[in-house]
Amino acid sequence: RKEVEQDPGPFNVPEGATVAFNCTYSNSASQSFFWYRQDCRKEPKLLMSVYSSGNEDGRFTAQLNRASQYISLLIRDSKLSDSATYLCVVNMEEWAGKSTFGDGTTLTVKP
Amino acid sequence: DTGVSQDPRHKITKRGQNVTFRCDPISEHNRLYWYRQTLGQGPEFLTYFQNEAQLEKSRLLSDRFSAERPKGSFSTLEIQRTEQGDSAMYLCASSFPPGQSNEQFFGPGTRLTVL
Repeated sequence: RKEVEQDPGPFNVPEGATVAFNCTYSNSASQSFFWYRQDCRKEPKLLMSVYSSGNEDGRFTAQLNRASQYISLLIRDSKLSDSATYLCVVNMEEWAGKSTFGDGTTLTVKP
Repeated sequence: DTGVSQDPRHKITKRGQNVTFRCDPISEHNRLYWYRQTLGQGPEFLTYFQNEAQLEKSRLLSDRFSAERPKGSFSTLEIQRTEQGDSAMYLCASSFPPGQSNEQFFGPGTRLTVL
């Protein structure tokens, strides 16, 4: 079993749709959690950190459930430019350190 | 450009040859990471440094792989006696010291092809 598991998709949605991605992690001692975005043939870039209280950045909302070891990302009003692979990331340290990545969920937003 | 840079961007080599990659982190960052990524998978942790100290090395990393960061600035990753299974994108990332930011900034990667 992988340490961080994601539904690989692909998710194909029309513009304006709401889409949700899920992620589970196996190590209960994990300290910090993130979503990264990776465009085709590009490097990963931080989308947002994930906190137990939930956090929102514009159309993006992330949630963490430590008891269930579950992380989610919700994208509202999808744009064509949201098409990418979304990587769930878990760290054992509070501040950066070794990151364990999921294999990513691919999103394609269509006109 | 003040981002993370990697050199070379592409490397094609024959099985059994040695290769070395270089990573220059963002200058204010004292942590530097190496990851490997193959098609359809997320980046896989290889090793990381805080300044010149190598703090952790993946158990998956065979003894053919070695990384250095001699002066706490740039880093090199060497693969000896390359195998076809080493073909992958090798990503370098850097981050601020603990307490400042969680974000890891990635370079564009070095794509290795072993024939």
